[in-house]
Amino acid sequence: GNSVTQMEGPVTLSEEAFLTINCTYTATGYPSLFWYVQYPGEGLQLLLKATKADDKGSNKGFEATYRKETTSFHLEKGSVQVSDSAVYFCALSGYNTGFQKLVFGTGTRLLVSP
Amino acid sequence: GAGVSQSPSNKVTEKGKDVELRCDPISGHTALYWYRQSLGQGLEFLIYFQGNSAPDKSGLPSDRFSAERTGGSVSTLTIQRTQQEDSAVYLCASSSSRDRAPYTFGSGTRLTVV
Repeated sequence: GNSVTQMEGPVTLSEEAFLTINCTYTATGYPSLFWYVQYPGEGLQLLLKATKADDKGSNKGFEATYRKETTSFHLEKGSVQVSDSAVYFCALSGYNTGFQKLVFGTGTRLLVSP
Repeated sequence: GAGVSQSPSNKVTEKGKDVELRCDPISGHTALYWYRQSLGQGLEFLIYFQGNSAPDKSGLPSDRFSAERTGGSVSTLTIQRTQQEDSAVYLCASSSSRDRAPYTFGSGTRLTVV
């Protein structure tokens, strides 16, 4: 079945550091890939998405590229801010579920200090 | 409304009681989803509605769980004879007919079974 694996956290960085959160997936065919963010006490927000190979999703300085050859969708940001502290979830939706059901990774907590 | 609204935001109930959780999706969104977020299981899909019908209810953990949607809008998730393992945050999401995955989540209902 479909699955998502993302790096364990927490990831602790200083402000303005470079961020990478790794995400790899297992799926049949060509899934759609997503990053969601959950700020403390809030629900999930869609951060970015990519629906086909080599697509790059981007939003708020975050980027992720859909790599079919390595089945990866790593999240990157060039310079993190304290306000980026949150839990980040990688997710996919696949052809075998009509692209409706999301399968999530376990989440990676990011802590950014001033 | 402007966003996905869930009520109540917090619910404490005694083991064995029934609970109802409500979700108001974004106006005009035809698809509605329920997910559960718990410490031990991460984010799990429960059920998906297209209009008032549920093409995929594969994630409902037992027959104590049921959900309905009326008028293509409000949805209610009902848990009968609650157990302590039902304690979790229940998240609702909605999306338009053009989208193929839940893009907008509510803030969730935190259910605690004592």
